[in-house]
Amino acid sequence: GAVVSQHPSRVICKSGTSVKIECRSLDFQATTMFWYRQFPKQSLMLMATSNEGSKATYEQGVEKDKFLINHASLTLSTLTVTSAHPEDSSFYICSALNSDRNYEQYFGPGTRLTVT
Amino acid sequence: DAKTTQPPSMDCAEGRAANLPCNHSTISGNEYVYWYRQIHSQGPQYIIHGLKNNETNEMASLIITEDRKSSTLILPHATLRDTAVYYCIVIPYSGGGADGLTFGKGTHLIIQP
Repeated sequence: GAVVSQHPSRVICKSGTSVKIECRSLDFQATTMFWYRQFPKQSLMLMATSNEGSKATYEQGVEKDKFLINHASLTLSTLTVTSAHPEDSSFYICSALNSDRNYEQYFGPGTRLTVT
Repeated sequence: DAKTTQPPSMDCAEGRAANLPCNHSTISGNEYVYWYRQIHSQGPQYIIHGLKNNETNEMASLIITEDRKSSTLILPHATLRDTAVYYCIVIPYSGGGADGLTFGKGTHLIIQP
C-alpha cells in the first residue's frame, strides 16, 4: 500500500516549451502533496506544497509563474514547467501525505526532465 | 527542522551489518528521527522512524541514544541492493511529515561484494 506514481518517468523537451508532470497517489487520498527538485550530485530541495482545492505555497526562490501546480483532486497533483530552459533540467520528485498512516510522506519514483 | 550531521560516505561488506550514525544534538522533545534512503535515480524510500525508544522493522533497526542527541540506523545483513544515499531527518511531530522535508547531504553507503 501507499504507492505514489509519476508520469512521465523521463521527458526531453525543447527550450521554450512547457512540460507537465503528474503525481498520483494510487491507493490513498492525499490532501497534501509536495514537489521536490534534485540536481546532479545534490540533495532534494523542496519546491512547493500542493494542497487539494487551494493554491500551492512555494519555497523562497521558486517562481510560482514558472512552476505551475494544480491539485484538482485528492489523488492527483500536476507540476507544469513553463517556458523551460536548460537550467530547468533536473530530477523532479513528488511526495504525498498519507493521513491514514500518521501523515507519513510517500515519494514517487521521480521524473527526469532534460531541456535541450 | 533540527540540523543533522552524517558522514558523507561509508563502505560495508555484503552480508555484514551496516551501522549508519547520525548526530542531531539540537533535537527538541517533540521531534522524531526519520530515516529515508534514495537509490540512484529513484525517489526516496521511507525506512524507519522513532522518538526515544529503539525501533525495529523488516528493513532496519533504529537505535536512539538516551539523550536523543544521536542515533544509529542498522541494516543487519547488507546486500548490494542496499547501496544508496541514506538521509537522517528530524521532524516535528505535527502528524509526522506534515511539512515538506529538509534533506541534508546524507551518507552514501556503498556495499562491497
